[in-house]
Amino acid sequence: EPEVTQTPSHQVTQMGQEVILRCVPISNHLYFYWYRQILGQKVEFLVSFYNNEISEKSEIFDDQFSVERPDGSNFTLKIRSTKLEDSAMYFCASSEGRGRSPLHFGNGTRLTVT
Amino acid sequence: RKEVEQDPGPFNVPEGATVAFNCTYSNSASQSFFWYRQDCRKEPKLLMSVYSSGNEDGRFTAQLNRASQYISLLIRDSKLSDSATYLCVAVRRGGADGLTFGKGTHLIIQP
Repeated sequence: EPEVTQTPSHQVTQMGQEVILRCVPISNHLYFYWYRQILGQKVEFLVSFYNNEISEKSEIFDDQFSVERPDGSNFTLKIRSTKLEDSAMYFCASSEGRGRSPLHFGNGTRLTVT
Repeated sequence: RKEVEQDPGPFNVPEGATVAFNCTYSNSASQSFFWYRQDCRKEPKLLMSVYSSGNEDGRFTAQLNRASQYISLLIRDSKLSDSATYLCVAVRRGGADGLTFGKGTHLIIQP
């Protein structure tokens, strides 16, 4: 069964550094997403991406975040200047369509900012 | 107001028992409904979509009640491996691409 893959599984970085989290969505999916989950809290929507542009973003997704699909397979989340509160599990997801289509999640990247 | 509300639990249930969760949604224009499960420190995984007429998948049954704006999940003959957090999702027509999750209901199946 096709799956969403994320790398790395764990990233440790110092406050103020830039990080790039990588995802390879399922190949025939058209919508891509990033979510985050702070330990012990709920899964929070960050951004959705369709047709090479952001289709929606939450208030969490401020100017320090950006997303990119640099080629036909990768989908990346960049955090420009990490803060301690960015420490969380970051999940990438993809879906065939919107609304009625379920999301398929990758197994996440645990980001630890020290 | 939250889009979905669930009893966070935990629900402690003996193995083999039947357990049911409800989830209420706030927007009457919601059109698509799903149950996801999330194991500790893992990604959410789709458990099942919820259809208007109700649907069953093995030991799992999902129901939708539009009049009362809730969806339910019934697990029969519960297994130890059913221990997880169960997340309901309601997607409104013309709404966000991304799903909005609540905190979910934590289920613990005890031997």
